[in-house]
Order: sequence, then structure tokens, then C-alpha cells
Amino acid sequence: EAGVTQFPSHSVIEKGQTVTLRCDPISGHDNLYWYRRVMGKEIKFLLHFVKESKQDESGMPNNRFLAERTGGTYSTLKVQPAELEDSGVYFCASSQTGASNEKLFFGSGTQLSVL
Amino acid sequence: GNSVTQMEGPVTLSEEAFLTINCTYTATGYPSLFWYVQYPGEGLQLLLKATKADDKGSNKGFEATYRKETTSFHLEKGSVQVSDSAVYFCALSDRNAGKSTFGDGTTLTVKP
Repeated sequence: EAGVTQFPSHSVIEKGQTVTLRCDPISGHDNLYWYRRVMGKEIKFLLHFVKESKQDESGMPNNRFLAERTGGTYSTLKVQPAELEDSGVYFCASSQTGASNEKLFFGSGTQLSVL
Repeated sequence: GNSVTQMEGPVTLSEEAFLTINCTYTATGYPSLFWYVQYPGEGLQLLLKATKADDKGSNKGFEATYRKETTSFHLEKGSVQVSDSAVYFCALSDRNAGKSTFGDGTTLTVKP
């Protein structure tokens, strides 16, 4: 069974450009989360989808970040326009609903560098 | 709000040494506690978990006990191997929130 996959693994862009990150969760997982780790510090929650609906987007830093999950399958996270402080590793995770919904399965992350 | 404080790294040990990585937390209610591990070039993997006070999570020789009185969940291993070199994250999850709060991560390097 495929795990959580993220694309691209690395992205280097200039300030002001747009970048779109993609996450494919494990098939059948209704919960999808985006996290990011900036400057080697803690991993911070960005938002949570249940199927195609945004359950919690309290961690989104500002309106330059837009997340979508069309059809409740894969998700995209777009940063437009990117700023220097957006550099970091963006992780996606998914989990099942029900009693085991706390076990998160993570992707390998996208390393974003904004120059 | 919830928070997790981890022992600062990096930590460098010789093979077969004893490992402790401290983790303390602040949370309302009764969270579940986790240790995740990130090996080089890979995503985070769940290492172990504990869901209530005095529970001990264990996996691959690692152990951690949920201590409510000291709000701690320290990670231990009796004899580390080179293959244990990785970044270790302590985390908690509020069952009602459905999201996790992570610590800063501790980088462990084990030398032969």
C-alpha cells in the first residue's frame, strides 16, 4: 500500500513567485493535515481537512496561503506570493476516522526555499 | 494552549550508550502523547504512543511513560545503535481537536 506522497520534494523560488505543493494521502484516509517546520524549530499545524471540507484552518499564517482538497482525495497548498519567511519543510499527514484517527501517517515533506 | 518542550539537541552518543530525551508538556484535558522519528530523507514515523496516565509506550527498544504528575513523556533506550541516528519529535494530541502539537525535535547522532 502506498504511503503519503508529496510533490515536489524540493522547491527553490524567488520572493514574489507562486508555488503549489501537492499531497496524496493514503487511500481511504478522510483526514488530511498540513504542517510546516520553519528554521529547524517545532512542527506547526497549518490546517485539517475532513474529506473535502476544511475542519480547522487556525494554523494558516495569512491569506497568502490557500489549501484545497477537491473531491476529498489529494490536496494542494499554494503560496502566493511567496515571502522569505515561508521557507521551511511542509509536511502532509493523513489518518483514518474512528478510534485510530490519532495515528498520523506522514509524507517525506517538501523543502521550500524562498530566495 | 497546548505546548511541548523537548530537550535541546543535538545529542551525540557512542554506540551502546544509554539514551534519554526529555519531553514535558502543557495541555488542558487528557491528551495522548507520542514520539515520532524522522530518519534522514524520510517522513516522520510514529515510534510509540501512550493514551493515558502511567501508560508505557514501547517500540524498537525505545520506551516512554506517560507521567501526569510531572507532565512528562521522556524517551529512553538502553543501548543505542548507529541506525538510531535521526530526529526525534515529542507530540501531543487533544482528542477533541484532532490535531497534534509538536516539540522542536532533537537530533540524535550515534557514532560507532
